[in-house]
Amino acid sequence: GESVGLHLPTLSVQEGDNSIINCAYSNSASDYFIWYKQESGKGPQFIIDIRSNMDKRQGQRVTVLLNKTVKHLSLQIAATQPGDSAVYFCAENIGRGTSYDKVIFGPGTSLSVIP
Amino acid sequence: NAGVTQTPKFQVLKTGQSMTLQCAQDMNHNSMYWYRQDPGMGLRLIYYSASEGTTDKGEVPNGYNVSRLNKREFSLRLESAAPSQTSVYFCASSALAGVSYEQYFGPGTRLTVT
Repeated sequence: GESVGLHLPTLSVQEGDNSIINCAYSNSASDYFIWYKQESGKGPQFIIDIRSNMDKRQGQRVTVLLNKTVKHLSLQIAATQPGDSAVYFCAENIGRGTSYDKVIFGPGTSLSVIP
Repeated sequence: NAGVTQTPKFQVLKTGQSMTLQCAQDMNHNSMYWYRQDPGMGLRLIYYSASEGTTDKGEVPNGYNVSRLNKREFSLRLESAAPSQTSVYFCASSALAGVSYEQYFGPGTRLTVT
């Protein structure tokens, strides 16, 4: 069925280390993927996205990797900081890329940064 | 520039009561969305509006109605609240920016139905 899941529900990382958050998706027709960060008591905040015609996309301190062969998505955060502590969601758009009409969210990974 | 605003922030309803959750955005976005988030889970799309004058069902539309009042406002109505509708409700808006469909979320409405 259509689903997006995360391998690890929680992740603890030492401040300054790199973080890797993983996500598996099941719909091979998905063509657009997004990572969101949600801090406690707030709405999700867009971090970075990637289209299925790309393998890698970099932002400020974040990199998203897409492996379509194994339907796997990851978010890498460089030099993790205490402000990175949050729940991270991956989401896939299983629409046809022309409208944002069917976005499926994964359950989330809680990232804790140890000072 | 307030972004996406939602009212109320908190609400307690009794089973069978009705209420409307309000959402407004000041970013001139065409598309608006309503999601619910249950504890320990991701967001599930209830309804969305691709543009002013149109609305469509998402994953979990049963028990809800929406109105796209104008380009700025998108409301969600619970006609007869049920305990299963206890959740945090998020409104979002988006506009195509380059190749991104970046969504901006409001702060959420925490609804409890007893």
